[in-house]
Amino acid sequence: DTGVSQDPRHKITKRGQNVTFRCDPISEHNRLYWYRQTLGQGPEFLTYFQNEAQLEKSRLLSDRFSAERPKGSFSTLEIQRTEQGDSAMYLCASSLAGDRGSYFGPGTRLTVT
Amino acid sequence: GESVGLHLPTLSVQEGDNSIINCAYSNSASDYFIWYKQESGKGPQFIIDIRSNMDKRQGQRVTVLLNKTVKHLSLQIAATQPGDSAVYFCAERRAAGNKLTFGGGTRVLVKP
Repeated sequence: DTGVSQDPRHKITKRGQNVTFRCDPISEHNRLYWYRQTLGQGPEFLTYFQNEAQLEKSRLLSDRFSAERPKGSFSTLEIQRTEQGDSAMYLCASSLAGDRGSYFGPGTRLTVT
Repeated sequence: GESVGLHLPTLSVQEGDNSIINCAYSNSASDYFIWYKQESGKGPQFIIDIRSNMDKRQGQRVTVLLNKTVKHLSLQIAATQPGDSAVYFCAERRAAGNKLTFGGGTRVLVKP
């Protein structure tokens, strides 16, 4: 499978715990995006990388959230001190700089209890 | 603020009929408008896009229409099939960074 992959697909955690998600983009894609999607809503942009550089962060990305793409390939999204409001689907997408659309992974569904 | 929204949350359509999904947008600076399909438990899947300087684009069984005068976008699906049942999102792309802004989605239910 050469699409975008995400791990884990599901995560249940207790409030206050830290969680980390991983995204592996399509191999030649230099841009990588994180989005958050709540039930019945469209995805909301969180942040994006071009190669290893994080170029934009949404105001939705509070200081409890951090994303990295250390070698310009896979990326991780960490949420510290999770809150119930963090429960959502976290989607990763990738593209080449000239692409019109982005290719999405299957998402990681986070449930904070 | 800038937003992309949809007129109808749910659309029921008979198998074989055509479907039309509508979307309004407010940001005239977007360079592309894109339709995505999202099935349950999956990430959004690219369907078709249209550049902001065009008014119509056709794909396989799908047509996207863009009316810049009234800032309206629509997706037409011809001969709707059960496999078309999903939530459809319109999204706008800003030239810088390919960042997408999505609307709230329309669920399409295909009746046999």
